Amino acid sequence: EAGVAQSPRYKIIEKRQSVAFWCNPISGHATLYWYQQILGQGPKLLIQFQNNGVVDDSQLPKDRFSAERLKGVDSTLKIQPAKLEDSAVYLCASRDSGAYEQYFGPGTRLTVT
Amino acid sequence: AQSVTQLDSHVSVSEGTPVLLRCNYSSSYSPSLFWYVQHPNKGLQLLLKYTSAATLVKGINGFEAEFKKSETSFHLTKPSAHMSDAAEYFCVVNYGGSQGNLIFGKGTKLSVKP
Repeated sequence: EAGVAQSPRYKIIEKRQSVAFWCNPISGHATLYWYQQILGQGPKLLIQFQNNGVVDDSQLPKDRFSAERLKGVDSTLKIQPAKLEDSAVYLCASRDSGAYEQYFGPGTRLTVT
Repeated sequence: AQSVTQLDSHVSVSEGTPVLLRCNYSSSYSPSLFWYVQHPNKGLQLLLKYTSAATLVKGINGFEAEFKKSETSFHLTKPSAHMSDAAEYFCVVNYGGSQGNLIFGKGTKLSVKP
């Protein structure tokens, strides 16, 4: 079974530029999550999707972050404009219906200069 | 507030000696508990999970954890450390069942000396 795929793996941008990350969850997993992991900390949930609907985006900085999951499969997370403090690893995870555990992708390491 | 606490930010052991990584959770509800491992520049890998079945849970790579309700603990152990075990370990709790979100501890960095 293929795992959660993410791209790109690394991205360096200047502040005020925009960036987008892509995630493909495990096949059949209805629930998809985006997390932000700042160096030295545990992941923090940004947004949760159930199929193509948003379940929880209370921690998403909506003035600059947006996310979508068209057709309930792949998802993109966008930052526009980026700030220095957005430097972090962005992790995507997915979960099967009825399961408790989440499965994580390799992450995208974003550096904002 | 619902929370999870990892009692050590850094643990260092010698290869071949036991590993103990400590985790306590807040006791509002009966939670699901997990340990994830993160190797450098890698994503998070599920080591093991507790979801109200057997209190002693066995995971991958020889790790196990015991759910102790009276102590609100879920410590991770391994009898003999290997160099490849060096990584960051996260204790994670879910209070909302299959619809709940994961709450991560701050992580424990495990170093293994030859």
